Amino acid sequence: QQQVKQSPQSLIVQKGGISIINCAYENTAFDYFPWYQQFPGKGPALLIAIRPDVSEKKEGRFTISFNKSAKQFSLHFKDSQPGDSATYFCAASRETSGSRLTFGEGTQLTVNP
Amino acid sequence: ETGVTQTPRHLVMGMTNKKSLKCEQHLGHNAMYWYKQSAKKPLELMFVYNFKEQTENNSVPSRFSPECPNSSHLFLHLHTLQPEDSALYLCASNPGEGHYGYTFGSGTRLTVV
Repeated sequence: QQQVKQSPQSLIVQKGGISIINCAYENTAFDYFPWYQQFPGKGPALLIAIRPDVSEKKEGRFTISFNKSAKQFSLHFKDSQPGDSATYFCAASRETSGSRLTFGEGTQLTVNP
Repeated sequence: ETGVTQTPRHLVMGMTNKKSLKCEQHLGHNAMYWYKQSAKKPLELMFVYNFKEQTENNSVPSRFSPECPNSSHLFLHLHTLQPEDSALYLCASNPGEGHYGYTFGSGTRLTVV
């Protein structure tokens, strides 16, 4: 059973455009929702994270929006650059499971110059 | 470098070979993890070690055998693998169960021929 579903699978945007990636989860016990960025040949690196007590969190060009009632969260980033081209993973975890992460399938983002 | 080092970066092995993957972290973390990353799939948690003790084996076939001699080192011993085991194997560490700050290594790209 896929507990975290991510879409789209791939995304192409133009330089300067807005990129939006969505995730939906099933387990209402999840209490931490991070986004990871992975470049080719590298492991995933934490980009930004949110907890369910807030509906939005911004860090620089990146924003997480969180909708607890819909069990959805999304990553937005504006002014997309070619250097943002990477695979993005959403994830979720809950403290009672030892904070082990459950990942989405990933979104391959390509930003065209 | 993220502080989590994996060797080798690439490995090609035959189905009858025995090989080992190594992970090393000097971040002072107490929890270490093995994940399998296959194309178009979510990262799959394989094993969890907390203070050198295995706390989770996520129904992984016995041809994968983990070893954690101390909190800084984690190994994954491989024997009689199948071609479908070809994937990127990622090691991660965490200050401890209940913490959310995962740090991933760059992974070992394994090809089974």
